Amino acid sequence: ETGVTQTPRHLVMGMTNKKSLKCEQHLGHNAMYWYKQSAKKPLELMFVYSLEERVENNSVPSRFSPECPNSSHLFLHLHTLQPEDSALYLCASSHGQAGANVLTFGAGSRLTVL
Amino acid sequence: GQNIDQPTEMTATEGAIVQINCTYQTSGFNGLFWYQQHAGEAPTFLSYNVLDGLEEKGRFSSFLSRSKGYSYLLLKELQMKDSASYLCAVTPRSGGYQKVTFGTGTKLQVIP
Repeated sequence: ETGVTQTPRHLVMGMTNKKSLKCEQHLGHNAMYWYKQSAKKPLELMFVYSLEERVENNSVPSRFSPECPNSSHLFLHLHTLQPEDSALYLCASSHGQAGANVLTFGAGSRLTVL
Repeated sequence: GQNIDQPTEMTATEGAIVQINCTYQTSGFNGLFWYQQHAGEAPTFLSYNVLDGLEEKGRFSSFLSRSKGYSYLLLKELQMKDSASYLCAVTPRSGGYQKVTFGTGTKLQVIP
């Protein structure tokens, strides 16, 4: 148990579907992140929320829509995705204090777009 | 820009020592992380280097040279469970939210 829980662990969806990924942390952290992990590519930062305010977008396509209702929960809403969006989506959190501001990751949601 | 290079794959023998190198060129640098990721699992924190030199933590050690843009992770007395991907990552800031840049990871296979 890493302290960051993601659901679902696996998701298969068609290009016209709408689905959501959920992330929950009970570590008292004040920043939460969505990362995309594709084969043979570096982890790619998609969104950052700090103190529930989105501070980074990194030009992610609008078919990905994040939501952070409070400091413990983070969602990634998915709609009209493309097959190239198939990847492992990792949620992470950090405490936001100076020093070794370590990212604590969830186990990820494996997304397959047909 | 941000560029981090590390070998794609390595193989080492159980009980041996292996060194995984990482070189980086980044527009801002505060510290360097190493994470371990087993297949199908979350990346987990191994080490964080801010100052030059070697930091030892049990069987794992991490080295940093800021002037050379170079780091390595040293794994001693390798065990089969050390088979995993090792991610090198650089952060330009201390505190606040993290703007971490990751390398592609080095997949280490430990063989008997």
